[in-house]
Amino acid sequence: AQKVTQAQTEISVVEKEDVTLDCVYETRDTTYYLFWYKQPPSGELVFLIRRNSFDEQNEISGRYSWNFQKSTSSFNFTITASQVVDSAVYFCALSEAEQAGTALIFGKGTTLSVSS
Amino acid sequence: ETGVTQTPRHLVMGMTNKKSLKCEQHLGHNAMYWYKQSAKKPLELMFVYSLEERVENNSVPSRFSPECPNSSHLFLHLHTLQPEDSALYLCASSQDLVLQAEQFFGPGTRLTVL
Repeated sequence: AQKVTQAQTEISVVEKEDVTLDCVYETRDTTYYLFWYKQPPSGELVFLIRRNSFDEQNEISGRYSWNFQKSTSSFNFTITASQVVDSAVYFCALSEAEQAGTALIFGKGTTLSVSS
Repeated sequence: ETGVTQTPRHLVMGMTNKKSLKCEQHLGHNAMYWYKQSAKKPLELMFVYSLEERVENNSVPSRFSPECPNSSHLFLHLHTLQPEDSALYLCASSQDLVLQAEQFFGPGTRLTVL
């Protein structure tokens, strides 16, 4: 079973639309971290946010916001008023104590295309 | 140079060639990683090094051989690869090997095996 599921493979929106990228995770650890990374066409993954399992407070950073809900094991990412520069592949990832070497477990990614 | 750099950015090789991928981090980090990114698949962790010691090897075929001569450099030596090894190979580093460590990624090497 996948530990990190990003059910949306591709999403297409028009500029200024809001869009939510879903992430569902699975872990038996009580201490874990969740991450979102952005991969633009240039290739390198860019860190967006980190959340620990004890902090369910939602976070907002400019047009980006994150909704962490332990009850549903979800860590969704919303982009408000999307822009063409938001076009990228977005990855959700999990870091849990059970994984030796604290490896990041990535979802398959969601490709977001924002058109003008 | 800042961050994590990788060379070459693109590599085409035949199945009998031997080549090496290079990664360098300029962040003073203690941990480095190799990931493989294939189309339609999640990023796959290949190797993890902490303070130049390998701490994880995720059942990677022996045709991939990592080397970490110091905490700033990481190599991936390739020999007798298969066409299915064609992928984007990403290097990353983090301050330490802890749960909450943010990983910084390089731009990757796009490898094509003919």
